[in-house]
Amino acid sequence: EVQLVESGGGLVQPGGSLRLSCAASGFTFSSHEMNWVRQAPGKGLEWLSSISSGGTTISYADSVKGRFTISRDNAKNSLYLQMNSLRAEDTAVYYCARGGALGVWGRGTLVTVSS
Amino acid sequence: QSVLTQPPSASGTPGQRVTISCSGSSSNVGSNTVNWYQQLPGTAPKLLIYNNYQRPSGVPDRFSGSKSGTSASLAISGLQSEDEADYYCAAWDDSLNGWVFGGGTKLTVL
Repeated sequence: EVQLVESGGGLVQPGGSLRLSCAASGFTFSSHEMNWVRQAPGKGLEWLSSISSGGTTISYADSVKGRFTISRDNAKNSLYLQMNSLRAEDTAVYYCARGGALGVWGRGTLVTVSS
Repeated sequence: QSVLTQPPSASGTPGQRVTISCSGSSSNVGSNTVNWYQQLPGTAPKLLIYNNYQRPSGVPDRFSGSKSGTSASLAISGLQSEDEADYYCAAWDDSLNGWVFGGGTKLTVL
């Protein structure tokens, strides 16, 4: 079964850091582009970042550029999102999603930025 | 403010056909394919339509998609109570070099 499982969310103070992970299983992880998308409480979907299958091509939304870093470890079938300088407006459920069509999604992990 | 424009709400009675629109620009919908996602309450989004009109395995043919110019539409025929959900359109944006989403449409089955 194709599966994505996010982890690493939690409560963090403004200005703090957090590293999210996404564990992939049931497919050849190294063959797929991967993405991070978030959803603030009661709001819509916001794409954050994409990374190519080999990790060489990366793009970011302006809202997180310079603060968030996407990476992957194909040997561990894992995707990561390092989040620094967190703000209250970064509070959201963070999803990893597979591929150029965002065809498979994890269940998400909640990040709450609050003092 | 979302880059793609969707109506915030839509509704219909069981058995009816409803459509949801998605309006973009030449840098996104006008030059790239459109995907549609269904998000049931309390769950993660699920791919419903990709490449403008194609359905992933397991998606009923009651769901259909179309695109013309800088606009796209999702149609749901034979509306069922379990279709009550939020629906989002998305496309790659060549200017922003990233995915852009519509604001979402909340579908209510009356």
